[in-house]
Amino acid sequence: DTEVTQTPKHLVMGMTNKKSLKCEQHMGHRAMYWYKQKAKKPPELMFVYSYEKLSINESVPSRFSPECPNSSLLNLHLHALQPEDSALYLCASSQEQGAFTEAFFGQGTRLTVV
Amino acid sequence: QKEVEQDPGPLSVPEGAIVSLNCTYSNSAFQYFMWYRQYSRKGPELLMYTYSSGNKEDGRFTAQVDKSSKYISLFIRDSQPSDSATYLCAMKVDYGQNFVFGPGTRLSVLP
Repeated sequence: DTEVTQTPKHLVMGMTNKKSLKCEQHMGHRAMYWYKQKAKKPPELMFVYSYEKLSINESVPSRFSPECPNSSLLNLHLHALQPEDSALYLCASSQEQGAFTEAFFGQGTRLTVV
Repeated sequence: QKEVEQDPGPLSVPEGAIVSLNCTYSNSAFQYFMWYRQYSRKGPELLMYTYSSGNKEDGRFTAQVDKSSKYISLFIRDSQPSDSATYLCAMKVDYGQNFVFGPGTRLSVLP
């Protein structure tokens, strides 16, 4: 099973709303990632969790708040977003070390901020 | 200079053609090289994964890595209309946590 599952697939939220994106994997991977992808651009790294601890925050605004409750789950809490935050949000996971460190991506959550 | 460069295309080929997609990079510490296929509005799907230099073949796909030239390639044989997508190369240093992506090449295979 090489599946990373993201919910919801689509989300429309107002600028005053609070919502959460969820990601789940059962491959035993200990590194999990949030990426943001705008149209016709490559994914841009937002956060990396390693062994459930935040290890990389790419200077992401505080209106995005990640959480890793356990080794299989990754959340992204959203609050007071701006229209320019509309994008495809991708979750990925990989083994932490060793030769097999390719990243597997979920199908993404398409977020629209109105 | 961007860390990973890739011709954005679009690249249009007839069905059955051999397609060559390429990336160049500047960081000689990259050790892991990946190719992803991404259909419109979907997440990237891992196609090929190579560690260090060499070739790897999987069905119609062949990945090549030339670390001396800092150049990687993906070849698609007998291309099909279903191969029409954006192809992203990605790479990572040993024990690094960040995957660095190229900008992607849009491929159209015409029936």
